Amino acid sequence: DTAVSQTPKYLVTQMGNDKSIKCEQNLGHDTMYWYKQDSKKFLKIMFSYNNKELIINETVPNRFSPKSPDKAHLNLHINSLELGDSAVYFCASSQEVGLAAYNEQFFGPGTRLTVL
Amino acid sequence: GENVEQHPSTLSVQEGDSAVIKCTYSDSASNYFPWYKQELGKGPQLIIDIRSNVGEKKDQRIAVTLNKTAKHFSLHITETQPEDSAVYFCAAGGGNKLVFGAGTILRVKS
Repeated sequence: DTAVSQTPKYLVTQMGNDKSIKCEQNLGHDTMYWYKQDSKKFLKIMFSYNNKELIINETVPNRFSPKSPDKAHLNLHINSLELGDSAVYFCASSQEVGLAAYNEQFFGPGTRLTVL
Repeated sequence: GENVEQHPSTLSVQEGDSAVIKCTYSDSASNYFPWYKQELGKGPQLIIDIRSNVGEKKDQRIAVTLNKTAKHFSLHITETQPEDSAVYFCAAGGGNKLVFGAGTILRVKS
């Protein structure tokens, strides 16, 4: 069984379009994340949701809007795509355990977005 | 906020040799330090982690050390094998947020 899944795996689109990436986890975790990995492999957090509530938003342009319909899903919608949005986007999830800071994150396989 | 620096950016070793990757962090409040391995075309996968109340942890050929005073931690891989070739990321954080290092491309030559 896939723990964290993302669709699509590849996404090629024109500048200015709007697109969505979907993420689902079947681990029963409370917290989900979106990361962006650029061409130099740098991995940077974009958003974090805990029980459908936004808890981290790392100065991401408001063209990016995450949506969490339930705690097992965190989708990423991107408006007016730009060339600089080309990257691999990873979804991840973790189980929050109070203030114990145990936060092993499980990553999905990634979505490679190419904006032409 | 937290800042994590990772060195080296690339590392080539002969099969059977050891590999060491080092990271430093800036926020003394960070209390969780995982290491992730990313193979080509896949998502990062946790290989070992350490918490701030522990100085060293070992799992078979992989070990991690943490020096809280100096704010640095290291990954040690012994008896490297070709399948160890991948990108390795360190991270530091606490609560729900992790800040990742820039990654190290490890190549194990057979």
